[in-house]
Amino acid sequence: NAGVIQTPRHKVTGKGQEATLWCEPISGHSAVFWYRQTIVQGLEFLTYFRNQAPIDDSGMPKERFSAQMPNQSHSTLKIQSTQPQDSAVYLCASSLEWDYTGNAGNTLYFGEGSRLIVV
Amino acid sequence: QQKVQQSPESLTVSEGAMASLNCTFSDRSSDNFRWYRQHSGKGLEVLVSIFSDGEKEEGSFTAHLNRASLHVFLHIREPQPSDSALYLCAVSSNTGYQNFYFGKGTSLTVIP
Repeated sequence: NAGVIQTPRHKVTGKGQEATLWCEPISGHSAVFWYRQTIVQGLEFLTYFRNQAPIDDSGMPKERFSAQMPNQSHSTLKIQSTQPQDSAVYLCASSLEWDYTGNAGNTLYFGEGSRLIVV
Repeated sequence: QQKVQQSPESLTVSEGAMASLNCTFSDRSSDNFRWYRQHSGKGLEVLVSIFSDGEKEEGSFTAHLNRASLHVFLHIREPQPSDSALYLCAVSSNTGYQNFYFGKGTSLTVIP
């Protein structure tokens, strides 16, 4: 099992350019999460998919950020017109189960992240 | 919304000495907790999960949950320099699905 795979690992973009980040969840996992990590804010929830359907995007900045999951093997996070404050490590995670089961079935397994630097 | 805070922000211990990390949360109804470790430039690695008051041990890691006091602790027994990393506490809110809220972490340094 290769774990959650994220690409690219590092990306440098100029202000105003678009950035697309990719995530391949663990095969068989039904839930996919996106988080953003910065020194100041720590880990911030962005959005969540369940069986490919978007469920909660309450953490997504309303403008410029969008996420999709076109099939069960990958999800993308797109940032349009990138700004320096978007610089962060973007982490994708998947879990076997999506519902509240109160057990280890919904442990989040994380990828190594995509470090985005906007200059 | 769930608030999760961790202390101390950074901790230095000698190799072999017990390390104790603290996490406080705001929602007393929470009952699904994880401790993660993140080495520099890497993803998060789950260390131990706990779902009820008391202790849960996984190798050299022991989580201790006291929901009445809104605390969950992580004790690391005989830490090694390779345990130097950022330790993150994650707490779930039962909103019908698992959405974990994270603390900002404790940076642990283990010196030989």
